[in-house]
Amino acid sequence: EAGVAQSPRYKIIEKRQSVAFWCNPISGHATLYWYQQILGQGPKLLIQFQNNGVVDDSQLPKDRFSAERLKGVDSTLKIQPAKLEDSAVYLCASSWDRTNTGELFFGEGSRLTVL
Amino acid sequence: AQSVTQPDIHITVSEGASLELRCNYSYGATPYLFWYVQSPGQGLQLLLKYFSGDTLVQGIKGFEAEFKRSQSSFNLRKPSVHWSDAAEYFCTVVDYNQGGKLIFGQGTELSVKP
Repeated sequence: EAGVAQSPRYKIIEKRQSVAFWCNPISGHATLYWYQQILGQGPKLLIQFQNNGVVDDSQLPKDRFSAERLKGVDSTLKIQPAKLEDSAVYLCASSWDRTNTGELFFGEGSRLTVL
Repeated sequence: AQSVTQPDIHITVSEGASLELRCNYSYGATPYLFWYVQSPGQGLQLLLKYFSGDTLVQGIKGFEAEFKRSQSSFNLRKPSVHWSDAAEYFCTVVDYNQGGKLIFGQGTELSVKP
């Protein structure tokens, strides 16, 4: 079974530039998550989708971050314009279960460095 | 809001020695608790989970964790550590006061000495 795919693995940009990350979840998983993991911290949920609808985006900085999940399958997370503090690993995860009582399957992450 | 505290940022153990990683949570009712492991350059993988019932939970790779309500703890243990266990370990709780959001601790980095 294929895992959660993310790209790119690494991205270096200058502040005020834009960047986009892509995620393809495990086939059949209705719930998709984007987490931000800053160095030395645990992952923090940015946004949760159930199919193509948003369940929780309370911690998404909406002035600069946007995410979509067209057709309820793959998803894109965009940052525009980027700030220095956005340097982090962006993790995508998926699961069968929207209640978070099941296992989340994580991708390898996209590491962003903002200079 | 729920919180998870992992008091140890970094632990070093010798290969073959026993391991215990500490986790304390704050939650009024019975929590849903998980331990995830993140190996270098890889995504997080679920080690084990606790919802209810038997307070000693077995997971993958020889890990186990014990839920102790009186101490608000969910410590992860392994009787004999292997070099491949070197990784970052995260204790996690489901916060139903925040719509079922997963709350991660800050992580404990495990190093294994030969």
